[in-house]
Amino acid sequence: SAVISQKPSRDICQRGTSLTIQCQVDSQVTMMFWYRQQPGQSLTLIATANQGSEATYESGFVIDKFPISRPNLTFSTLTVSNMSPEDSSIYLCSVELLSSYNEQFFGPGTRLTVL
Amino acid sequence: QKEVEQDPGPLSVPEGAIVSLNCTYSNSAFQYFMWYRQYSRKGPELLMYTYSSGNKEDGRFTAQVDKSSKYISLFIRDSQPSDSATYLCAMSLSGNTGKLIFGQGTTLQVKP
Repeated sequence: SAVISQKPSRDICQRGTSLTIQCQVDSQVTMMFWYRQQPGQSLTLIATANQGSEATYESGFVIDKFPISRPNLTFSTLTVSNMSPEDSSIYLCSVELLSSYNEQFFGPGTRLTVL
Repeated sequence: QKEVEQDPGPLSVPEGAIVSLNCTYSNSAFQYFMWYRQYSRKGPELLMYTYSSGNKEDGRFTAQVDKSSKYISLFIRDSQPSDSATYLCAMSLSGNTGKLIFGQGTTLQVKP
């Protein structure tokens, strides 16, 4: 596996503001993803973070709301923009390692509360 | 109808019991099946990974996939209080690397 870190681990934000979440991996990765886990719900894929190009978003998620960057192979950011209380959730990054095809490993998550 | 159905529980068992966790799914194209364990306020941890049908055993854990019934199971033998967590099944399509479809998760409590 790998060590996957996320910053911040939690935050409380005011509506209308934006928060950027960072994900850093200590191993060579092939793919990076961002998921959302709403209270009492399962994990839902937001997008695939592509290195050096625009992220690939899933149905229901748009770049204006969730801009994603991936400047290198082991680092990515997710921004939650113009937040509302409905954005209160846990945001998780996951990775596929070079050494483990199709197995995804998750970071610890960022717990976001929007007031 | 959700693509992956999982009973959220909670499931409470005494220490030492055999635990059976299950998921059903609707898309017959799923080829990769996983079980994750998630402790409170932590990220999901990959427990078991299987490709197509069959069984896979790892210590006290056994994963079974029955593609004909679109049904997957995770068995935990000699359950311990440290097994108390939420167990999430996940699956993906063949050749569609990346997108995992998760079940809702089953909360398990193992009582000493």
